[in-house]
Amino acid sequence: SQQGEEDPQALSIQEGENATMNCSYKTSINNLQWYRQNSGRGLVHLILIRSNEREKHSGRLRVTLDTSKKSSSLLITASRAADTASYFCATDGGTYKYIFGTGTRLKVLA
Amino acid sequence: DSGVTQTPKHLITATGQRVTLRCSPRSGDLSVYWYQQSLDQGLQFLIQYYNGEERAKGNILERFSAQQFPDLHSELNLSSLELGDSALYFCASSVGVGTNTGELFFGEGSRLTVL
Repeated sequence: SQQGEEDPQALSIQEGENATMNCSYKTSINNLQWYRQNSGRGLVHLILIRSNEREKHSGRLRVTLDTSKKSSSLLITASRAADTASYFCATDGGTYKYIFGTGTRLKVLA
Repeated sequence: DSGVTQTPKHLITATGQRVTLRCSPRSGDLSVYWYQQSLDQGLQFLIQYYNGEERAKGNILERFSAQQFPDLHSELNLSSLELGDSALYFCASSVGVGTNTGELFFGEGSRLTVL
């Protein structure tokens, strides 16, 4: 079973709008990561947040982590057509495994 | 370019056959991970190696096996192939393991089609 589950499964927004996607996980973690995948390509790391951190920023990305709710959110501000991709969260579940969620398919309309 | 190399990029074979997928991790990375991604699905964790030793196993079928060699490259062997094995197979690498894993670097994947 998946450790992480993203919500929503799909999201369609206009260029310039903000996009928010959420990730829920089941067990305790050491860190949580977000990745991006363009269609059929390899995944690219976006940001890592450790279990003792609550918020992290990287450019137009903002990630929050709530370990009490076992959830994280990824906010992309001022979205661009080039942000169109699938976004995955990944958690280590306190083990050596890195388990990925089912992903959120983001479509940014120009 | 992530620095992770996977070969072949595309592979078409028949049911019942056996294939080997190869992965060369990023220079300096000791951990290698294998994932399977079926059409429009998430990534299913298969197996992880660290410096030649198996460290974690996911829902890897008994028909599948993997190993990491002394030069740190890894191979994923898929045998008695079935139609449902058609998928993208990704390899990823990282410097460390466990709590020191950090970022995973992904290859571009090997697309397997079983006819």
